[in-house]
Amino acid sequence: GQNIDQPTEMTATEGAIVQINCTYQTSGFNGLFWYQQHAGEAPTFLSYNVLDGLEEKGRFSSFLSRSKGYSYLLLKELQMKDSASYLCAVRDSNYQLIWGAGTKLIIKP
Amino acid sequence: ETGVTQTPRHLVMGMTNKKSLKCEQHLGHNAMYWYKQSAKKPLELMFVYNFKEQTENNSVPSRFSPECPNSSHLFLHLHTLQPEDSALYLCASSQELAGGGTDTQYFGPGTRLTVL
Repeated sequence: GQNIDQPTEMTATEGAIVQINCTYQTSGFNGLFWYQQHAGEAPTFLSYNVLDGLEEKGRFSSFLSRSKGYSYLLLKELQMKDSASYLCAVRDSNYQLIWGAGTKLIIKP
Repeated sequence: ETGVTQTPRHLVMGMTNKKSLKCEQHLGHNAMYWYKQSAKKPLELMFVYNFKEQTENNSVPSRFSPECPNSSHLFLHLHTLQPEDSALYLCASSQELAGGGTDTQYFGPGTRLTVL
């Protein structure tokens, strides 16, 4: 079966750095997505990786290793507004999105 | 504002009620999706429409009935639901059904459904 694992919850301090990991086993691979979802709001697209390596976008970076079935989302200079759930999703060989359960990130002052 | 709107935002209904959820996308996309989101569980894909034709029904109980009158609008009709159907129902759209690259899904804010 297809499976995506990510931690259920993480806590970090304002101004610090946090890394949210995602491991996957899917039928094929056509890209990995990270989404941010604030409580009661729509998931919004953050990043896309299809090749190995690091993609940087401001304070957020996403890394992919296809051979290891592994990705992480790195958030720097954490702000209180970064408190949200972060969803990892993989597009499989049928171009369907397979979703993780999300990581709830709590930022403390 | 992601270009996908959903109404109502909150809905409380009894098990014998009939209600409908509405989704509208203003992005000119061709594919639309219904998802169920329960606490601490992955998004569950329910239905997929491409150019207003249903392409997927992921073994969803018949008490959920989708309707897609055109590429911009999607409805989910609810009838005789169970308490375990209480969840956040998300609508999404994408440019193509099996798009590659960064063609990803854009979500609405969801309808928080409570079944009593």
